[in-house]
Amino acid sequence: GESVGLHLPTLSVQEGDNSIINCAYSNSASDYFIWYKQESGKGPQFIIDIRSNMDKRQGQRVTVLLNKTVKHLSLQIAATQPGDSAVYFCAENMGRGYQLIWGAGTKLIIKP
Amino acid sequence: NAGVTQTPKFRVLKTGQSMTLLCAQDMNHEYMYWYRQDPGMGLRLIHYSVGEGTTAKGEVPDGYNVSRLKKQNFLLGLESAAPSQTSVYFCASSEALMNTEAFFGQGTRLTVV
Repeated sequence: GESVGLHLPTLSVQEGDNSIINCAYSNSASDYFIWYKQESGKGPQFIIDIRSNMDKRQGQRVTVLLNKTVKHLSLQIAATQPGDSAVYFCAENMGRGYQLIWGAGTKLIIKP
Repeated sequence: NAGVTQTPKFRVLKTGQSMTLLCAQDMNHEYMYWYRQDPGMGLRLIHYSVGEGTTAKGEVPDGYNVSRLKKQNFLLGLESAAPSQTSVYFCASSEALMNTEAFFGQGTRLTVV
């Protein structure tokens, strides 16, 4: 099976709250992880990435946490907005030249 | 700056027909990719290219062929379409291979009947 998976296929969050999207991976050799956002009818859009020599990386309103001990990745979105409604994908890579392995995605729903 | 443009956006094929999907990028990227996306699954790599004149197989290459005659264009061909190839196809490009941000087109929804 796929080495990258998600704990929750759908996540509903109140507007203004923080969102946490989780991702588990099984390949301990993976050294690069990336998050994409896909809005309905569009192609995936890069959010943030992280390499295995880091455990945290921050972007604009987003933070990715990497826990190599338990092979877990999470994407935190601060102050969730209606425009954050999308499917979020995590993907992993074992190194240069290897293919990205994508998870199945988590749908984030924003409640007004 | 258009980014990555795919044509067509929608297509319906009969089993056994052939077609070509065109991808064009204006970012001067060396690396280009073709993915397919099926319901409830992540993207799966079909073929990719590390530069003009080169192609390589991805995770699910069977039934597809590709060509990269010009740096800015990456074509995906289906020689004899099958219902199992009903999917949404995405083209992407990037500055580096795999371990970096990729820019995606809007997708082509293909239905094979």
